[in-house]
Amino acid sequence: GDSVTQMEGPVTLSEEAFLTINCTYTATGYPSLFWYVQYPGEGLQLLLKATKADDKGSNKGFEATYRKETTSFHLEKGSVQVSDSAVYFCALYNAGNNRKLIWGLGTSLAVNP
Amino acid sequence: DSGVTQTPKHLITATGQRVTLRCSPRSGDLSVYWYQQSLDQGLQFLIQYYNGEERAKGNILERFSAQQFPDLHSELNLSSLELGDSALYFCASSVNDGPTLHEQFFGPGTRLTVL
Repeated sequence: GDSVTQMEGPVTLSEEAFLTINCTYTATGYPSLFWYVQYPGEGLQLLLKATKADDKGSNKGFEATYRKETTSFHLEKGSVQVSDSAVYFCALYNAGNNRKLIWGLGTSLAVNP
Repeated sequence: DSGVTQTPKHLITATGQRVTLRCSPRSGDLSVYWYQQSLDQGLQFLIQYYNGEERAKGNILERFSAQQFPDLHSELNLSSLELGDSALYFCASSVNDGPTLHEQFFGPGTRLTVL
């Protein structure tokens, strides 16, 4: 079945460092891919998404490119801030697979000043 | 504020008891999703309703049930509670559940503690 694999955390960075959180997936067909973020004490919120191969999603300085050849959707940010400290979830939606989001386990990011 | 409301915010109860969690979706959203988030199992999809009908089922235990009412609010019922049911329960809503999934908007969650 469909699945999402994220790099394990926690990830700890200094402010202004470069961030990469790896996400790879297994799916049939052409799924849509998402990154959600969960700030401390809050619910999840959509960070960015891509619905077809080679699409690049971007928001708040974060980017991720839908790479079908490597089945990846890695999250990147050039310069992280303390306010980016959160848990990041990669997710996949495949309309042919019972129409539910498949979630990664989440990667915790802590950014130190 | 996502527009999704959940009540109560916190719930403390004892093993063997039954509780009901309530969710009101964003105005205009027809789909409601329930998730369980715990430290050891991460984010688990439980169940989805679309316009009053069950649409998809995930890792929902038989002791758990849900429904969506005509006004589109949803309730998740948890019975015969066990210590392991302690978790954060999220509700999310979206406009539809068609071929292209629109954004799911998450509520703030209900933290359930079973003692």
